[in-house]
Amino acid sequence: DSGVTQTPKHLITATGQRVTLRCSPRSGDLSVYWYQQSLDQGLQFLIQYYNGEERAKGNILERFSAQQFPDLHSELNLSSLELGDSALYFCASSVARGLAAGELFFGEGSRLTVL
Amino acid sequence: GENVEQHPSTLSVQEGDSAVIKCTYSDSASNYFPWYKQELGKRPQLIIDIRSNVGEKKDQRIAVTLNKTAKHFSLHITETQPEDSAVYFCAYRSGSSASKIIFGSGTRLSIRP
Repeated sequence: DSGVTQTPKHLITATGQRVTLRCSPRSGDLSVYWYQQSLDQGLQFLIQYYNGEERAKGNILERFSAQQFPDLHSELNLSSLELGDSALYFCASSVARGLAAGELFFGEGSRLTVL
Repeated sequence: GENVEQHPSTLSVQEGDSAVIKCTYSDSASNYFPWYKQELGKRPQLIIDIRSNVGEKKDQRIAVTLNKTAKHFSLHITETQPEDSAVYFCAYRSGSSASKIIFGSGTRLSIRP
């Protein structure tokens, strides 16, 4: 158990819909990262937050947005869903950020299926 | 750009033999290079990492080497065992944005009994 909690574990929805994925980082971790893993693909970096502020952005679609709340949990919002958005979405947390950042602790992932 | 090339994409080795996975990056300012292992249906987990002030690091059967001049780093697994079967990802911390951890495309390692 990494200590990172992601909900829901599985989600099936239709094209055009909107979903919210939730992540609770390990106790004490201030950084939260979001990654997308499509079938048999690598981990695509989406976005990173540190203590409530956005710190880095990857190739995140405009239809996707995220935030980190004062209690440090984070949410990834996916809207106008398309078939190609079907993937496993991982959240990871780490103690620090920037040059002090080290190991990422991943959650179990949220598997999104868009029909 | 922010990219890391990982080779091979699949690798099959006889149990007991060694496995080597190589990654090449382009960001010369990078200074942190972790390797993650993802077993089937599970989350990625860190197995070893190296920072740019050292050229090699070992942890039992696993070692990582770093050549900053050539901008490549490699994972070496010796005396492979069935439980080493997994997908392995190299990664690096972006030099331009130290908050980004960029992953390679992964290597699916299979250990033949």
